Amino acid sequence: QVVLTQSPSASASLGASVKLTCTLSSGHSSYDIAWHQHQPEKGPRFLMKLNSAGTHSKGDGIPNRFSGSSSGAERYLTISSLQSEDEADYYCQTWGTGIRVFGGGTKLTVL
Amino acid sequence: EVQLVESGGGLVQPGGSLRLSCAASGFTFRNYAMSWVRQAPGKGLEWVSMISGSGENTYYADSVRGRFTISRDNSKNTLYLQMNSLRVEDTAVYYCAKDPGDRLSGDAFDIWGQGTMVTVSS
Repeated sequence: QVVLTQSPSASASLGASVKLTCTLSSGHSSYDIAWHQHQPEKGPRFLMKLNSAGTHSKGDGIPNRFSGSSSGAERYLTISSLQSEDEADYYCQTWGTGIRVFGGGTKLTVL
Repeated sequence: EVQLVESGGGLVQPGGSLRLSCAASGFTFRNYAMSWVRQAPGKGLEWVSMISGSGENTYYADSVRGRFTISRDNSKNTLYLQMNSLRVEDTAVYYCAKDPGDRLSGDAFDIWGQGTMVTVSS
């Protein structure tokens, strides 16, 4: 079964950029993934779907500051021009027939 | 506006039962697979169960299989999760989430609800 690995935490300064990583387990490097943002006291929000070629399709209303890219088994979420409201947990997700899988999440702190 | 609104959470004793509901609006409900996802306190997101658009196909995480039952009423645009034999470790916020289609091979969740809290405690 596919496993998604994320670093537990990341931090960056207001106005800077940050790149979060989601790593697919061995044998699953071709999988598409999705990135979701989860702010405190809110439901998660779909950010984008990302394939192995780095092509991504974003959800409605997601700012251009959010972008995705890929390299091998790694899928990236880059947030530029960080704002205070970007402080949240970020989860990657993948799927198969009858199953959905989440990474452990990365807690992003905006300094 | 596409919207998912969960309800039915609350406090229940270990071994008890609870039924969650998720009311959908703003889209043709029967055309989309739906899931339940939970987040225990201090933990990450965990997929619980999914159901196809027709309701014919259902799937469960190992942690809930045999205790939880997912269902839907497409005439009422509502998703359900019947939770039996509840355990302390089922304590979590439960979210419903929509797929962008009805593919059994799966897809990303594109719409989420705001969640309902379930607390299992004596």
